[in-house]
Order: sequence, then C-alpha cells, then structure tokens
Amino acid sequence: EAQVTQNPRYLITVTGKKLTVTCSQNMNHEYMSWYRQDPGLGLRQIYYSMNVEVTDKGDVPEGYKVSRKEKRNFPLILESPSPNQTSLYFCASSLIGSVGSPLHFGNGTRLTVT
Amino acid sequence: DAKTTQPNSMESNEEEPVHLPCNHSTISGTDYIHWYRQLPSQGPEYVIHGLTSNVNNRMASLAIAEDRKSSTLILHRATLRDAAVYYCILRDVQGAQKLVFGQGTRLTINP
Repeated sequence: EAQVTQNPRYLITVTGKKLTVTCSQNMNHEYMSWYRQDPGLGLRQIYYSMNVEVTDKGDVPEGYKVSRKEKRNFPLILESPSPNQTSLYFCASSLIGSVGSPLHFGNGTRLTVT
Repeated sequence: DAKTTQPNSMESNEEEPVHLPCNHSTISGTDYIHWYRQLPSQGPEYVIHGLTSNVNNRMASLAIAEDRKSSTLILHRATLRDAAVYYCILRDVQGAQKLVFGQGTRLTINP
C-alpha cells in the first residue's frame, strides 16, 4: 500500500532533550516536506526537500533541522526542543515535474514539550 | 509565495450541494490549483487539482475562473462525512516547492 509513515504518533519530552521524528514513503517520491499545525494558524511549512541531499527552508524553519540522505526518508530533528514547538506535525511527499502531482500526507505526530 | 484566500467557515445541509470558494489573485501561469481536506484527527488528503479547465472526479468538481484568479470546489451532495477543513493551495511544478496552506475553510454539514 502506498503510504507516508511517521513515527512516533505521540511524543512527550522535556525542554532541551534532542529528538527525531521519522518520515518514510514507499512511492519513490522526489519531494518531501514537513508541516506543523497549530490552532488558528493552519498548516505551516517547516522544511522541504526536492531530492536526495537537496533541502530548503519553509516558512517556520527556526529550531528544526532535516536531512535527506535517502530518497525514502526525511527525518525532522529538534536539537533542543522548547515548549513553543509543542504542535501537531505532518510529513508529506509527492512526485515533482509531473502534472500537478498531489501531496500524500502521513497521519501526524503530536509532540508535547514540557 | 503564491497565496490563497478562503472563508474561515461555511455551513451547509446534508444532501445539498456545497460551493467552497478560493481566491488566488497572484496566481502565475505555471501554478496548479490544488484542494485538500482534513478530517478530524487525520492528516490532509488530496481532493482534486486543475490548471485551467474545470475538473471532475469521484469526490468533487473544481470550477476555475477564466482569469484563473479564483476557483470553487463543488461537493455535489454533501454528506456528514464531508465535514472537514478544506484547503486550497497553489503548486508550481516548474519552480520552488515552498507551499502555503493558510487556515482553510471549516465546513459544517447539518443533518
């Protein structure tokens, strides 16, 4: 089944403790992206990647890192999490260069930083 | 970055058609118009997309204005399961892939 898989689904951590949220897709998509969703603010893009070793900032990249060493994986790294990074996170992927390629989203990771 | 404007909320009745508007006055010639919806406690899911011509699929129809500065997502017979937040975004397949979702339209369906 074609899917985008995020892990974990829920995560509670403390301020300053490094964490990684994984994202994997099995559709051979070039494009992958991370979003955060907060009440009243909608979906905001954190980082995106057009292909292996190619990443770029979205609208809210501060406090986050990403890497794209393999085509299927795009982990989101919080080196020193803070309470304002408490949010619902979504990973998405798609083809690029194809006619209007739709995005495929994961089921989300709810992160709480205390 | 190309942006879209949608009403914050809309309400309709079950089994009636729903027209969800989206304004995108700064759309460029290579921008596709995409619609996604997000059901409660789920990630967004693709609904439909188009470039210039109106489009139909099993979920909905997309009507695109002649000048492409606005579009309308049409749900022909709304059901309670269509209650969701609907997002309209622009996606340029030739350029950078920085996407702006906005807050979307929260659709309520009354039984």
